[in-house]
Amino acid sequence: QKEVEQDPGPLSVPEGAIVSLNCTYSNSAFQYFMWYRQYSRKGPELLMYTYSSGNKEDGRFTAQVDKSSKYISLFIRDSQPSDSATYLCAMRMGLANAGGTSYGKLTFGQGTILTVHP
Amino acid sequence: SAVISQKPSRDICQRGTSLTIQCQVDSQVTMMFWYRQQPGQSLTLIATANQGSEATYESGFVIDKFPISRPNLTFSTLTVSNMSPEDSSIYLCSVALSVVLFFGEGSRLTVL
Repeated sequence: QKEVEQDPGPLSVPEGAIVSLNCTYSNSAFQYFMWYRQYSRKGPELLMYTYSSGNKEDGRFTAQVDKSSKYISLFIRDSQPSDSATYLCAMRMGLANAGGTSYGKLTFGQGTILTVHP
Repeated sequence: SAVISQKPSRDICQRGTSLTIQCQVDSQVTMMFWYRQQPGQSLTLIATANQGSEATYESGFVIDKFPISRPNLTFSTLTVSNMSPEDSSIYLCSVALSVVLFFGEGSRLTVL
């Protein structure tokens, strides 16, 4: 079983739709949760970063974390064609639990390919 | 955030050859990280590069195959040695600011 599971999609939605992207994880030591967006032939770009369970909003994007269920989500409101990309969830342990783990070690989901069509 | 530049952005290489990827950051950072993204796969950490010490490799990655240099606080190189088609991937340089990572644009290698 992978530590982080993410539905690879692909996901195709019309412009203006609400998009829900989801990841589940098995390692309860994960404490920091990130969402990255990766356009074709580009590096991953940090979208949002959360620590606590609950919601965090930034413009059209809302990140949701449920640590009790080991489930995180990214919601995109009023989706635009420019949102078409691969979305990667990523997570890391808290530094106190990291042990010998590299400070730079993030565990990524497989990525969800999103297409927003006009 | 940080501005991270990588060279080359892409290359096509022959089996058995080696290629060195360069990474330049616009600010001084203690640690730099190298990731690999194989086709259709998620990102995997190869190694952590600290200035002034040997790189630390993750399980499944060895120094002979992926030698790393870190001559100063803004620059690092990753060499992919004796390449085979299985090494065809995107190689990404990364730095940490607080608990999040920022990535370069990646170097897309195709090995024939």
